[in-house]
Amino acid sequence: DTAVSQTPKYLVTQMGNDKSIKCEQNLGHDTMYWYKQDSKKFLKIMFSYNNKELIINETVPNRFSPKSPDKAHLNLHINSLELGDSAVYFCASRDRTYEQYFGPGTRLTVT
Amino acid sequence: GESVGLHLPTLSVQEGDNSIINCAYSNSASDYFIWYKQESGKGPQFIIDIRSNMDKRQGQRVTVLLNKTVKHLSLQIAATQPGDSAVYFCAERKGGGSQGNLIFGKGTKLSVKP
Repeated sequence: DTAVSQTPKYLVTQMGNDKSIKCEQNLGHDTMYWYKQDSKKFLKIMFSYNNKELIINETVPNRFSPKSPDKAHLNLHINSLELGDSAVYFCASRDRTYEQYFGPGTRLTVT
Repeated sequence: GESVGLHLPTLSVQEGDNSIINCAYSNSASDYFIWYKQESGKGPQFIIDIRSNMDKRQGQRVTVLLNKTVKHLSLQIAATQPGDSAVYFCAERKGGGSQGNLIFGKGTKLSVKP
């Protein structure tokens, strides 16, 4: 009964490739997020979607393109991957409260 | 830049002792604060939250204290157990039109010695 799920859990790829990470939440929440966690554990918000509409894009390169086909899904597509994109990416969702529910994370390694 | 930070990046405590994890924030307009626990290889999990109209809130073995005068937040864990070993994050929500977006602090790693 996973609330927020992400696939894949691990992703190893070469520079220049294009990859996608999928996120699904079964909580019925209206708002979903993507975060990037660097090697020092710092969590930084990337995108925020509310009812399939982009609310926030926090100075993220346009190589990153989120797509929300419906309220329960928020996928992250990354073009032309760079070494600096290596990180753990977390999807999260929230309802009308401010508590956010996080997925298990996707560890992206760019070689 | 981020407005939430931590005094101690690492904390090591003996099993059974109480732990105190501190967090400083700089945005006086923030109206909601939350603590998350992140175990190795997992996503952050909610521990406890507090609104700015409160100065203390208790949960099961955890207490959050908010001092708005000095913009300080702390998480107290009673009778710390090995299962409490994790990275702890504080986060704030700015008031006004920021909706529900949270700004996370840098995290404190708690290690519990058996």
